Amino acid sequence: AQTVTQSQPEMSVQEAETVTLSCTYDTSESNYYLFWYKQPPSRQMILVIRQEAYKQQNATENRFSVNFQKAAKSFSLKISDSQLGDTAMYFCAFTLSGGYNKLIFGAGTRLAVHP
Amino acid sequence: DVKVTQSSRYLVKRTGEKVFLECVQDMDHENMFWYRQDPGLGLRLIYFSYDVKMKEKGDIPEGYSVSREKKERFSLILESASTNQTSMYLCASQALLSSGNTIYFGEGSWLTVV
Repeated sequence: AQTVTQSQPEMSVQEAETVTLSCTYDTSESNYYLFWYKQPPSRQMILVIRQEAYKQQNATENRFSVNFQKAAKSFSLKISDSQLGDTAMYFCAFTLSGGYNKLIFGAGTRLAVHP
Repeated sequence: DVKVTQSSRYLVKRTGEKVFLECVQDMDHENMFWYRQDPGLGLRLIYFSYDVKMKEKGDIPEGYSVSREKKERFSLILESASTNQTSMYLCASQALLSSGNTIYFGEGSWLTVV
């Protein structure tokens, strides 16, 4: 069975600084997708970034980038130039490729950005 | 943009009541999901559906049932609500063959059972 682990329940960062959120996962499959979702106080889950396991290049979306280490089964999220609006709960998630596969979530990391 | 709409944002129900949580998506997605979210536990899958009238149990189906009579609508049913079902419930949908398996979420339904 696949599992996703986020070892940092809470983190804080000063505005304009960089922060890295950790995520590890476990699977015996080779084709899968990894995601980071953001959940602000409004509770709407927002997709931040997606990584296909077959791609070696790390995904990047503006200030958000990932460090995907397939052999180590690690998928960390780096937020550069942190903004107050980045304050949210961040969830790492995993799904197998193809068909109807459920999204498996980690427990989440609560990030607070301070002025 | 994909829109997943959960009809009730906040509900308060009594123990033993039958509760319906409704979810509608407007993008003709094949797959739909119901998750519950609890502090420290992340999101846990209750049920999912990959087609009309088709359903599969997730990780925590006990005490819940679902209905999918139309492709765009997926309902979660608590046959007899209990206090341990107080939680936030998230509906989601997913296109089967596009968007890199991306799942889109509704805004959530806060259910309190008293």
